[in-house]
Amino acid sequence: GQQLNQSPQSMFIQEGEDVSMNCTSSSIFNTWLWYKQDPGEGPVLLIALYKAGELTSNGRLTAQFGITRKDSFLNISASIPSDVGIYFCAGQFSLNAGGTSYGKLTFGQGTILTVHP
Amino acid sequence: DAGITQSPRHKVTETGTPVTLRCHQTENHRYMYWYRQDPGHGLRLIHYSYGVKDTDKGEVSDGYSVSRSKTEDFLLTLESATSSQTSVYFCAISEAPWTGRRRGNQPQHFGDGTRLSIL
Repeated sequence: GQQLNQSPQSMFIQEGEDVSMNCTSSSIFNTWLWYKQDPGEGPVLLIALYKAGELTSNGRLTAQFGITRKDSFLNISASIPSDVGIYFCAGQFSLNAGGTSYGKLTFGQGTILTVHP
Repeated sequence: DAGITQSPRHKVTETGTPVTLRCHQTENHRYMYWYRQDPGHGLRLIHYSYGVKDTDKGEVSDGYSVSRSKTEDFLLTLESATSSQTSVYFCAISEAPWTGRRRGNQPQHFGDGTRLSIL
């Protein structure tokens, strides 16, 4: 099946630093999603990207959909302690089957972010 | 929050017993999904539903069944639980796909999970 390689696996940074993480795939996707997961909770959607080359921001977060449709990156600027958590990329490829359509999500392994005050 | 409630939040049970997890949504979204999350594997799709009584298998469906008798509820059943099914289970929902200029599937939103331990 499709594989997503997310890197780095973990990051330890100082408050105020910028963060960059990325995902690469062996297959193309038509949607890239970035989620954040806090301990004991479910993933929360941060940014959704729908078009190759698209660059989208959400506050201090910026994400881009790679031109090849096989990669995406997420940047966090001026990190703060509450940015701590696990960040997941997810690729979505629309499928049609018997008149239905659903988006199978393939997830990366996650990047564990630790921010030191 | 996306209006998703999973129950129970925690469960410990024994091998061979049946287990049912419930996902309840208040968003009236058409699509619902069940995932499991395990270290080293990330989130993997078990089953999904594209409407009432309409379900299909995901990538790790063996040993699991689902039912959706009404829009707001999606049940995941382990007929005879095994230790390999110890995991954290997440429900997700999404609206019907876009069909206008922006075609494709809408993002999925997740519940807070059920931690299931099978001894």
